[in-house]
Amino acid sequence: GAGVSQSPSNKVTEKGKDVELRCDPISGHTALYWYRQSLGQGLEFLIYFQGNSAPDKSGLPSDRFSAERTGGSVSTLTIQRTQQEDSAVYLCASSHVSGGSYEQYFGPGTRLTVT
Amino acid sequence: ELKVEQNPLFLSMQEGKNYTIYCNYSTTSDRLYWYRQDPGKSLESLFVLLSNGAVKQEGRLMASLDTKARLSTLHITAAVHDLSATYFCAVDSGGSGGGADGLTFGKGTHLIIQP
Repeated sequence: GAGVSQSPSNKVTEKGKDVELRCDPISGHTALYWYRQSLGQGLEFLIYFQGNSAPDKSGLPSDRFSAERTGGSVSTLTIQRTQQEDSAVYLCASSHVSGGSYEQYFGPGTRLTVT
Repeated sequence: ELKVEQNPLFLSMQEGKNYTIYCNYSTTSDRLYWYRQDPGKSLESLFVLLSNGAVKQEGRLMASLDTKARLSTLHITAAVHDLSATYFCAVDSGGSGGGADGLTFGKGTHLIIQP
């Protein structure tokens, strides 16, 4: 079946512009996660959604970052006034509970480059 | 704060040899995951370990979990070139919300297997 999809696959933007990244989880998965992967910081957890709600937004790097999920499906991660340190690969994952496992399935990622 | 440490971070080995990657974590957790990442690609789930003493095997890879020692190992038997990749362990801090804190990843082990 279809896996997690993300768009765009690559995004180059100028410093100061806003960007919107999209994630479409596996159908039926209620949990959705955003991570960021960069050379300097490795893999960082950003935010988690259960259904449409995000219980804890403290993992977002700054108040320029926001995320929403509508209809319990598609999620968007928005970065306002992008900075060069925002350059990274943004990964989305989804999961459902199965036998006590919250195994996460990752999408292909969006590579963001801020110039 | 949950910390996950992998070692070694870089490993070059010859085909046919055996080796083990270690993953230590700092707080109690019953859920540990191993992922594989090929260059420029996303994360592929390899193993889900959910209890003390859990052992799982797939081909030349075997993963185990000792929750008392807070240690997981990924053992490679008779390595082949196709296993060259970066391997990450990740820990779910758990809790009643299940998955709500996202995964905390190790820095990854960059494995090169030479013919």
